[in-house]
Amino acid sequence: EIVLTQSPGTLSLSPGERATLSCRASQSISSAYVAWYQQKPGRAPRLLMYVASTRATGIPDRFSGSGSGTEFTLTISRLEPEDCAVYYCQQYDRPPQTFGQGTKVEI
Amino acid sequence: QVQLVQSGPELKKPGASVNVSCKASGYSFITHAMHWVRQAPGQGLEWMGWINTKTGNPTYAQGFTGRFVFSLDTSVSTAYLQISSLKVEDTAVYYCARTRFLDLWGRGTLVTVSS
Repeated sequence: EIVLTQSPGTLSLSPGERATLSCRASQSISSAYVAWYQQKPGRAPRLLMYVASTRATGIPDRFSGSGSGTEFTLTISRLEPEDCAVYYCQQYDRPPQTFGQGTKVEI
Repeated sequence: QVQLVQSGPELKKPGASVNVSCKASGYSFITHAMHWVRQAPGQGLEWMGWINTKTGNPTYAQGFTGRFVFSLDTSVSTAYLQISSLKVEDTAVYYCARTRFLDLWGRGTLVTVSS
């Protein structure tokens, strides 16, 4: 199975700053079948990005995704207080689908 | 409104069974696969598998074979997760989510297993 390793574990930043979240895969992921999710406490995850760089419906353009192969990145260009959450990457290229362990963003 | 509505929280004893439902509305149920994801307390997300909503064919991730069963009732646009022989370690929130990149999620169903 493809193992996804996210870094850092926790990111502490101020409003307006830029957040860069990394997701590294143990094997190359074809067609960039990587998604990113945001989860706030007590809530279901919400899809942010799919095929690495396509924003889901209703996601603000301060969120962007990039990457290919084994290295993927989620960037939040200007942090807002409501961006406090845990962010997960996921690969859906090969079964079993797998998630990273998450990055907690504190603001 | 496009949504997945899951059944309410469950409290079960070890050895019992539980059935979690996930009702889809606002879209054609059979056009999107349904996936199941588990989240143990304070832990990350774990993909359990998926069910083909056209054929009813389930696929289970390793660790979710045997006691876990995915099923459908397409007449009411509902997917089900049944867990039998419950263990304390099955305590978790169980989510249903639509399609490969999980673009729509239910709110989750908390299953608590305790004696």
